[in-house]
Amino acid sequence: DAKTTQPPSMDCAEGRAANLPCNHSTISGNEYVYWYRQIHSQGPQYIIHGLKNNETNEMASLIITEDRKSSTLILPHATLRDTAVYYCIPGNYGQNFVFGPGTRLSVLP
Amino acid sequence: GAGVSQSPSNKVTEKGKDVELRCDPISGHTALYWYRQSLGQGLEFLIYFQGNSAPDKSGLPSDRFSAERTGGSVSTLTIQRTQQEDSAVYLCASSSRGAGLGEQYFGPGTRLTVT
Repeated sequence: DAKTTQPPSMDCAEGRAANLPCNHSTISGNEYVYWYRQIHSQGPQYIIHGLKNNETNEMASLIITEDRKSSTLILPHATLRDTAVYYCIPGNYGQNFVFGPGTRLSVLP
Repeated sequence: GAGVSQSPSNKVTEKGKDVELRCDPISGHTALYWYRQSLGQGLEFLIYFQGNSAPDKSGLPSDRFSAERTGGSVSTLTIQRTQQEDSAVYLCASSSRGAGLGEQYFGPGTRLTVT
């Protein structure tokens, strides 16, 4: 399984953009980068995924470097409800997703 | 549409008893996964189903754990002779090979407490 490195914690002011980095230097050529978050006591919530192009949806934007060895999840206007642990996971259909320790994002009022 | 559902939401059982946990995946999703999360820990993979077959059972921690899936839909995770270390939140996820390209959608989990 590809290994990921994420900062253990980050703070972000409410209303500001939160930029969460992830290194996945051993990602395989056919693996996507998936981002999830987990709010206390809830199941993981899917946010976004991409292969090599940048992606945007109603929740977030995903920037993937050209060499695919790292990516950044961007929450454009963080709210208090975005406080959660965020995980980046290289993977594909039919693979078990390996959830590392993730980044604990605290959005501060 | 309906998401992944799991039942029961909470289960308290005595050490040594058997328990069954149920997962209803999103309709039409061919892949189903079981994970568990102990208090303060990350997710631990247990088993993966493709249709009714389980090509990857590598995460089952012991032979007390088993799972089945019928009709390509509902799955049941059974833990026999429960132990206190089995206490955790058991999470189920499903995914489709279609346009969604493999993202897994998780249910709310079953919190199992073994006393």
